[in-house]
Amino acid sequence: DQQVKQNSPSLSVQEGRISILNCDYTNSMFDYFLWYKKYPAEGPTFLISISSIKDKNEDGRFTVFLNKSAKHLSLHIVPSQPGDSAVYFCAGYTGAGSYQLTFGKGTKLSVIP
Amino acid sequence: ETGVTQTPRHLVMGMTNKKSLKCEQHLGHNAMYWYKQSAKKPLELMFVYSLEERVENNSVPSRFSPECPNSSHLFLHLHTLQPEDSALYLCASSPGLYYNEQFFGPGTRLTVL
Repeated sequence: DQQVKQNSPSLSVQEGRISILNCDYTNSMFDYFLWYKKYPAEGPTFLISISSIKDKNEDGRFTVFLNKSAKHLSLHIVPSQPGDSAVYFCAGYTGAGSYQLTFGKGTKLSVIP
Repeated sequence: ETGVTQTPRHLVMGMTNKKSLKCEQHLGHNAMYWYKQSAKKPLELMFVYSLEERVENNSVPSRFSPECPNSSHLFLHLHTLQPEDSALYLCASSPGLYYNEQFFGPGTRLTVL
């Protein structure tokens, strides 16, 4: 059973608009989340993270929101650029002492010029 | 070389072959990981090493054999694989074992005939 779910396999957005990528988790023990971006023929690269003690974290054009009661997080990219076209993975750690990062299946974002 | 490197990038092998995947990290990290990414599935953690000691073996079949001779190098020895083992194998490293951002290599695309 998947503990981290990215229910949208793909998303298309116009350049300059906002991209919103969603992620849901089933285990309330998850308390630290990371977003990774992956280009074809490359490994995933870290983008932004959020701890469960926060509900928002910003880094430039990227903002991650965490709603613990809904077990939901989202990544906002504003404004979207063609170079943002990639697969985005949501991942989480479950509790102190956890070293296993659980990944979602990913969402492929296409930013249309 | 910088970051995490993996060789070879592509590998085709028969079911009776023996081959090895190599990973090297140039980041001074203490933990290293092997992941498997199959089509339509999330990244699956296979093995974790911390300071050259294996701390996790996620029910991986014995036809996959990891080796960590030092904190910079990680190998995955393959023998008598099955066609369903065809996947992208990703290596990652992190500064420490817990709650760390993981840095990924580009992966080895493995095809088992």
